[in-house]
Amino acid sequence: TQLLEQSPQFLSIQEGENLTVYCNSSSVFSSLQWYRQEPGEGPVLLVTVVTGGEVKKLKRLTFQFGDARKDSSLHITAAQPGDTGLYLCAGGKDSNYQLIWGAGTKLIIKP
Amino acid sequence: SQTIHQWPATLVQPVGSPLSLECTVEGTSNPNLYWYRQAAGRGLQLLFYSVGIGQISSEVPQNLSASRPQDRQFILSSKKLLLSDSGFYLCAWSEGPVGRDTQYFGPGTRLTVL
Repeated sequence: TQLLEQSPQFLSIQEGENLTVYCNSSSVFSSLQWYRQEPGEGPVLLVTVVTGGEVKKLKRLTFQFGDARKDSSLHITAAQPGDTGLYLCAGGKDSNYQLIWGAGTKLIIKP
Repeated sequence: SQTIHQWPATLVQPVGSPLSLECTVEGTSNPNLYWYRQAAGRGLQLLFYSVGIGQISSEVPQNLSASRPQDRQFILSSKKLLLSDSGFYLCAWSEGPVGRDTQYFGPGTRLTVL
């Protein structure tokens, strides 16, 4: 069974602090996607990383794919209340149609 | 541009009643289609996916079924709902045939079974 473990499950911090969310697996993935979901809405893609060691930046968000393509991290610098939401990672393999989903990290940024 | 629709947005149904949730995609052809269920604040559980008309793969054996009567229409059904069927149901589509392709999600249906 392929699993993607996300940590922490829940994080509540003050505006302006930095944080890192982790997504780990024992399986190798062709790609790792990060989604953000607001309450009552569907997830929206933030980024896809496909190369081992790849780093992508999206304003204050930095995404990294592990060298072995088994893990990924999301780092947020100077968190803002607008960053509040559920962050989901999902691993993809070229051999099938499905994504393997992590359980999510619920992030709350307090003003 | 592509859009994905789901309806209804919310639904309250008694135990034992039937269910039909509909999802349609516009602006693309032959999409891969997915039905997910999500417990409150948690990750996504894949229920069904389809790579073409009439082709349905089931991931979780349960009292739900899916059908794809048209290229861009995906329907989730049940003959008799259970309390455990309550949840947030999401439909998604992707363009490519492999797992690295982005999945685009609909707005979801909040189902409460009483």
